[in-house]
Parts: sequence; C-alpha cells; structure tokens
Amino acid sequence: SQKIEQNSEALNIQEGKTATLTCNYTNYSPAYLQWYRQDPGRGPVFLLLIRENEKEKRKERLKVTFDTTLKQSLFHITASQPADSATYLCAPGDSNYQLIWGAGTKLIIKP
Amino acid sequence: KAGVTQTPRYLIKTRGQQVTLSCSPISGHRSVSWYQQTPGQGLQFLFEYFSETQRNKGNFPGRFSGRQFSNSRSEMNVSTLELGDSALYLCASSSGGINTGELFFGEGSRLTVL
Repeated sequence: SQKIEQNSEALNIQEGKTATLTCNYTNYSPAYLQWYRQDPGRGPVFLLLIRENEKEKRKERLKVTFDTTLKQSLFHITASQPADSATYLCAPGDSNYQLIWGAGTKLIIKP
Repeated sequence: KAGVTQTPRYLIKTRGQQVTLSCSPISGHRSVSWYQQTPGQGLQFLFEYFSETQRNKGNFPGRFSGRQFSNSRSEMNVSTLELGDSALYLCASSSGGINTGELFFGEGSRLTVL
C-alpha cells in the first residue's frame, strides 16, 4: 500500500541554521507534492507545491526538491527563526486527485 | 476575503450519537474536502465535493457521509459514533479541486466521543 514517511521525531535546529525535513514515499508515483505548515490547534497552511517535472522550487527562505528516482522530497528553511517552529506536513498527490498526507515533522528552532 | 469557517469548533458526544459538522468555504471556491486528523497520524482524506457532487472518497466506513449545497457550503455527518472517531476534523476549500494546488484549511472541529 502507499506509504508516506516523514521524520517522526522532532527536529531541533539552532536559530540561523538551515533546517532540512525529509518526505519519503513508497508504492506511489505522485504527479506533484505539496508542503504545509501546521501550528498547534490550527489548520494546515499551504507553503509550496512542486510537480514531478520540477527538480526544485523556491519561495523566500523556503526551498523544496523532488527526486522521483529516490522517491523523496526535501524541504529546506534557510536562516531559520523561532517563528518557523511548527509541524510541517508533506502531501504527495496522484492522478486520481487524492492527496496522501504524511504524519508531519515537528520542527523546533532554538534561539 | 474571509477564510474557511468551520462550526462548531469543539463538541463532545457519547457513543452511538450522531454529529454534523459544517464548513463554509472561501467565496468562489467550488471544492470542499474533508479530513480526519488524530495524534501521530497524517490527515486522512474523507471525501471531496465539487459543485454539489462527491468527486472523491477515502477509505472510511459508510457512517461518514457528507454533502454540499448550492452555495458550496458543506456538511459532514458521522452516525453511530465510536470512541475512535475522536479527532480533529478539518475541511479545506480550493477553486479547482484537491489536485490543482493550494488548499485553504479551516481551523477544524475537535470532536470528543465519550
């Protein structure tokens, strides 16, 4: 069955450093992949979408890569700030128009 | 413009009861999708409605149902509640559908089943 794996443990990063989050998928060939941020008690907020024919996408301090050979997406936050602390969700999508969601990685940026 | 509105935000029910949750999408958005989120689990897709028609459905039992009205507002219903139904239920709206890009989520309805 399709499986999405994100770092299950919290990721602790020092302020100013680059945070890198991983999303791996198996038994799946997504046409695109989305990343969302979720704060406690709130709904997810869209960050970036990358399609299978795109290797990399950037938005301000955010960068996403999509490697269909490795079946992996990496999400980078450069010059991280305490305000970046949140849970980050990846959601690959397929041609059947369904998104399958990872459980999320909790990112903690320490001042 | 106003975001996605979900009501109620919190509710407590007992086993066997039924519950109806409401979602008002962003004005102009025709797609509303519903998700269940439990601790440690990713969002589980329930169903998507587009212009009053159910377009996609996840792997949930028939106790979970939904509908969409002509003004794009959507409701989901869970009948014969079980303890395992306790979760945060999120709805999201989009202009084109869940496969076209950005989803706008509401704050969720937190259901506790006792």
